[in-house]
Amino acid sequence: NAGVTQTPKFQVLKTGQSMTLQCAQDMNHEYMSWYRQDPGMGLRLIHYSVGAGITDQGEVPNGYNVSRSTTEDFPLRLLSAAPSQTSVYFCASSNGWDLTLGYEQYFGPGTRLTVT
Amino acid sequence: TQLLEQSPQFLSIQEGENLTVYCNSSSVFSSLQWYRQEPGEGPVLLVTVVTGGEVKKLKRLTFQFGDARKDSSLHITAAQPGDTGLYLCAGAGSSGYALNFGKGTSLLVTP
Repeated sequence: NAGVTQTPKFQVLKTGQSMTLQCAQDMNHEYMSWYRQDPGMGLRLIHYSVGAGITDQGEVPNGYNVSRSTTEDFPLRLLSAAPSQTSVYFCASSNGWDLTLGYEQYFGPGTRLTVT
Repeated sequence: TQLLEQSPQFLSIQEGENLTVYCNSSSVFSSLQWYRQEPGEGPVLLVTVVTGGEVKKLKRLTFQFGDARKDSSLHITAAQPGDTGLYLCAGAGSSGYALNFGKGTSLLVTP
């Protein structure tokens, strides 16, 4: 059981390039989300999905696109990379609301992205 | 965005000491979670508190949710070097799934 996997682990992009960060989960979770973590800023929600075909914006969605064609996968696309998008990106999944666990989220190991 | 303020931002203590980390907001949360994150890894869920006034214990860690569901605390008794890490609180608001995270408390426990 791999849980939440993310690829690549590290990536360097030049300004203006595009790329897709991959996220997959094998727990059959309906809920998935993308966060970015910057020093001193905590984790900020970029986009999230409550099921295949359904996505919504989080706190910092500009410059990022997502789609959810399957339950397992939730890729994050950077359309035209900017230095401000240098960050660590985490994908997370959840089985939804539980009376005692709330929205228990399982996080992937992260992708460290540098945009030069 | 419902803001969560964590304090202190940094904490360096000796093994065996007790400590408390706070997570405060002016907003009401349907649930609040505490995570611990180690360098180079994703956050790992420690506990979720759902009911106002709720207290949960996880070995030497005690978590409390405020009566008004606006704040929470994490108390560690007899800290050990293995407790070192970044502690994050996260709240689920009225919109449901979307979590708002605090900026974290970086804890260092030295032998």
